[in-house]
Amino acid sequence: KNEVEQSPQNLTAQEGEFITINCSYSVGISALHWLQQHPGGGIVSLFMLSSGKKKHGRLIATINIQEKHSSLHITASHPRDSAVYICAVPRSGGGADGLTFGKGTHLIIQP
Amino acid sequence: SQTIHQWPATLVQPVGSPLSLECTVEGTSNPNLYWYRQAAGRGLQLLFYSVGIGQISSEVPQNLSASRPQDRQFILSSKKLLLSDSGFYLCAFHQGAGELFFGEGSRLTVL
Repeated sequence: KNEVEQSPQNLTAQEGEFITINCSYSVGISALHWLQQHPGGGIVSLFMLSSGKKKHGRLIATINIQEKHSSLHITASHPRDSAVYICAVPRSGGGADGLTFGKGTHLIIQP
Repeated sequence: SQTIHQWPATLVQPVGSPLSLECTVEGTSNPNLYWYRQAAGRGLQLLFYSVGIGQISSEVPQNLSASRPQDRQFILSSKKLLLSDSGFYLCAFHQGAGELFFGEGSRLTVL
């Protein structure tokens, strides 16, 4: 079964700073997910990627399949980016048996 | 468009009482459905998954059970709740390696 390591666990930064969150996994995958969880608990999917790089607004996600590593970047961070960011990968194979999640990165952006 | 809903959003239950959380999906057919739990201060953990009507796979031994009476309906139940069942429960679906959708979440407090 896949294992996921995410870092840092906690990150506090000033508004405008460039943010990087890292994720490593142990078994080859078909796709990796980056998720955002707000204080109320709801989770939204930010990215699903299987190679290269994706960009949505100020968020950028990259993945290196050979190194089994992915990063989530936030440019020009804003207090509304404060949330928990979670990396998730298939537990095994194609992912029909669910996902394994990192423990999350609790991000606080101070004005 | 594909949507997922779960309810109730919040519930407070005494130890030993029953539980029923319901999740429904719209805009897709034959989805893979999942129940995850997030205990306080911990990451998301897979509880059950289902790849079809009546097909349930359990990942964590516990006093919870799941059922899938219809293609787009997934129910999480317990006959007698324990204190350790407290947490945030999320229903989710994705098809193969496709985009991931989460329900709004159900916050359970067992007293």
